[in-house]
Amino acid sequence: DGGITQSPKYLFRKEGQNVTLSCEQNLNHDAMYWYRQDPGQGLRLIYYSQIVNDFQKGDIAEGYSVSREKKESFPLTVTSAQKNPTAFYLCASRAGQQYAYGYTFGSGTRLTVV
Amino acid sequence: GQQVMQIPQYQHVQEGEDFTTYCNSSTTLSNIQWYKQRPGGHPVFLIQLVKSGEVKKQKRLTFQFGEAKKNSSLHITATQTTDVGTYFCAGGQGGKLIFGQGTELSVKP
Repeated sequence: DGGITQSPKYLFRKEGQNVTLSCEQNLNHDAMYWYRQDPGQGLRLIYYSQIVNDFQKGDIAEGYSVSREKKESFPLTVTSAQKNPTAFYLCASRAGQQYAYGYTFGSGTRLTVV
Repeated sequence: GQQVMQIPQYQHVQEGEDFTTYCNSSTTLSNIQWYKQRPGGHPVFLIQLVKSGEVKKQKRLTFQFGEAKKNSSLHITATQTTDVGTYFCAGGQGGKLIFGQGTELSVKP
């Protein structure tokens, strides 16, 4: 079955460490997105990529970095510069300009700083 | 920046009662999408509205897009316990979606 796989499901990070969250899709979608979700808030866009080897900052990109070397993969690195990284991170994809199909989300990674 | 406001933040209803959540944007949207996130889960796409004044139905769910394409609503008739979750609207602009804060629905049996 096609879908988006995020790993790990739970991640614990010590202060000052960088961590990388994995996002892989086998839907052949062009566009991929990273969102952050905090309790009581909506989804806030961190980074997005419309095509391989290209990506743009979202609304809250500071302290994060991404790469898009393959169509299937869009990993997110949470750097030590991110002051409040504890959150639920969601990866999503969309088939190019096919708005009608909406975004497909992965099951998320819950990051906790210890 | 562009904002999409969603109200109410929480709604508690008795099973069988109706439920409505509202979504408002400061700017004209190209489209509006609605998602449902079950507790502990991830958002799942429900529907998209594109045309001014559009109304779509999915069983007990009715979705509307305002004439000015700046607001939208989701109405659930006769709620059931399976409707529990957070409902998000998301407005499209510039190739990305701006999500509202969501409305968390709880249903008392």
